Amino acid sequence: DAMVIQNPRYQVTQFGKPVTLSCSQTLNHNVMYWYQQKSSQAPKLLFHYYDKDFNNEADTPDNFQSRRPNTSFCFLDIRSPGLGDAAMYLCATSRSLAGSNKKLFFGSGTQLSVL
Amino acid sequence: QQQVKQSPQSLIVQKGGISIINCAYENTAFDYFPWYQQFPGKGPALLIAIRPDVSEKKEGRFTISFNKSAKQFSLHIMDSQPGDSATYFCAARYNQGGKLIFGQGTELSVKP
Repeated sequence: DAMVIQNPRYQVTQFGKPVTLSCSQTLNHNVMYWYQQKSSQAPKLLFHYYDKDFNNEADTPDNFQSRRPNTSFCFLDIRSPGLGDAAMYLCATSRSLAGSNKKLFFGSGTQLSVL
Repeated sequence: QQQVKQSPQSLIVQKGGISIINCAYENTAFDYFPWYQQFPGKGPALLIAIRPDVSEKKEGRFTISFNKSAKQFSLHIMDSQPGDSATYFCAARYNQGGKLIFGQGTELSVKP
């Protein structure tokens, strides 16, 4: 059974049109992450939530926002997508940020296309 | 500055051969080193991981060798199979905050 579920699998949006990607988890993990992965590149961390505490990476553009209404769900909002935002967006979870509970579980990703 | 350097960028191995992927890191604040396997169109999946107090970890055909003094670690895939063809990422995790830093990835192709 899928433990980190991302919807939709593929998303097409228009240049400048806001888009929201969703992630849900059945693991009851405290931490949820959003990564951006461009073609043939490593995943790049955008931000993460530890419970309700939001932690933004210093180089994440303001165009990217996130919401976590409850433990199970986390959303990635791209306010004005540009062509350079076309990428695979990966959601991941971990039980904690320290100790033996750091193991990341990734979803299958949402492939975003910007037309 | 790339904190985790991975090589080679691509690798072609014959079926039954050994695939070796290398990574090097600089920051001593890393305390957990996982390897991820990613198939096209899928998210990365944890393959095997090691802590720096261990020099080697083996799980089936997959082995991590870790050299703490050299700040290097490598993944060995024994008896490589066409089904192993994927992109492999090494990573290193900060002991505080839990941020995971990925290497650049290695695209492995195992030929029948």
